[in-house]
Amino acid sequence: EPEVTQTPSHQVTQMGQEVILRCVPISNHLYFYWYRQILGQKVEFLVSFYNNEISEKSEIFDDQFSVERPDGSNFTLKIRSTKLEDSAMYFCASSESRQGSGYTFGSGTRLTVV
Amino acid sequence: AQRVTQPEKLLSVFKGAPVELKCNYSYSGSPELFWYVQYSRQRLQLLLRHISRESIKGFTADLNKGETSFHLKKPFAQEEDSAMYYCALSVGDNSGAGSYQLTFGKGTKLSVIP
Repeated sequence: EPEVTQTPSHQVTQMGQEVILRCVPISNHLYFYWYRQILGQKVEFLVSFYNNEISEKSEIFDDQFSVERPDGSNFTLKIRSTKLEDSAMYFCASSESRQGSGYTFGSGTRLTVV
Repeated sequence: AQRVTQPEKLLSVFKGAPVELKCNYSYSGSPELFWYVQYSRQRLQLLLRHISRESIKGFTADLNKGETSFHLKKPFAQEEDSAMYYCALSVGDNSGAGSYQLTFGKGTKLSVIP
């Protein structure tokens, strides 16, 4: 069964540093997403990406965040200057079509900002 | 704004007992609802979507628009059902691009006692 692959599984970074979280979505999927889950809290939507541009983003997704699909297979989330409160599990997901089909999630990257 | 409520943080049942994981939602439009499951140290996996009216691993969920609920049920719990269960509601994006975001509940941890 096809999987969404995320690397690294765990990243520790110092406050103020830039981090890039990487994802390889399922190859025939058209829609890509990032979500995050702060420990003990709910899974929250960050951004959706379609046709090489952001189609929707949440209030969390401020100027510190950016996404890119640099080479047609990878889908990256960059946090420019990390803050302590960015510590969370970050999930990448992809979907084949519009609403109703459900997502396939990656296994997540645990980001710890110290 | 849409909201998903899972009132129980933890639900413990004995093996063989019936299970009902509650989910209520608030959304002014026509919702599409999902259940995701996360087994220990694994990724979020799609369990059910209301449009397909399927039964997966013995679980079923019926959308009740009058009560704005989408409760997950299983007549006889198994030990392997122990996991975190998340109810989610999908909302189309404002751009009409076809991507959509999921609004998650906080999750219910199901523990099946042998």
